[in-house]
Amino acid sequence: NAGVTQTPKFRVLKTGQSMTLLCAQDMNHEYMYWYRQDPGMGLRLIHYSVGEGTTAKGEVPDGYNVSRLKKQNFLLGLESAAPSQTSVYFCASSGYRVDQETQYFGPGTRLLVL
Amino acid sequence: RKEVEQDPGPFNVPEGATVAFNCTYSNSASQSFFWYRQDCRKEPKLLMSVYSSGNEDGRFTAQLNRASQYISLLIRDSKLSDSATYLCVVNWGSSASKIIFGSGTRLSIRP
Repeated sequence: NAGVTQTPKFRVLKTGQSMTLLCAQDMNHEYMYWYRQDPGMGLRLIHYSVGEGTTAKGEVPDGYNVSRLKKQNFLLGLESAAPSQTSVYFCASSGYRVDQETQYFGPGTRLLVL
Repeated sequence: RKEVEQDPGPFNVPEGATVAFNCTYSNSASQSFFWYRQDCRKEPKLLMSVYSSGNEDGRFTAQLNRASQYISLLIRDSKLSDSATYLCVVNWGSSASKIIFGSGTRLSIRP
């Protein structure tokens, strides 16, 4: 039981490049989330998904796209990376009672955009 | 005013001390509350939920004060291993977009 995994762990991009971050969970959770964490800002929700085939915008969705083609996977895409997207990205998952249930986080992806 | 505010610290206390910190929230409709712990360069992990009646888990006690709109975390007999950043989480609805994380309070326990 791996929980929540993320790939890659670290990536350096040049401005304008694109990339996809992959999140996978093996807990059969309905909900999946993508957050970014910046110093002094706390975790901010980028996009989330309430089930396979669904996605919704969070607090800071601009510049990102997501897809949930399979229940266990949630992909975060950066179409044209900008230095402002330098951050640590965390994926999380939880059961459907989002107001009561624990969120389980992946180990994070550190992204540097030059 | 931020929706969820925490004193960023750092709180630097000696081993064995008792330390407490608060988290204030602005939305009176907030329904559920949690404390997460995040070690340096690691992911957040749930420490404990915060119930209306307060709850205790070993050396950790969490309290909710709805009237003043804050939650608190008390750590007794602190250990070196308690050094971490503590994030409060406030949820004011059943939607994932209603979950707000505080920016965290950094705690450092010295020998």
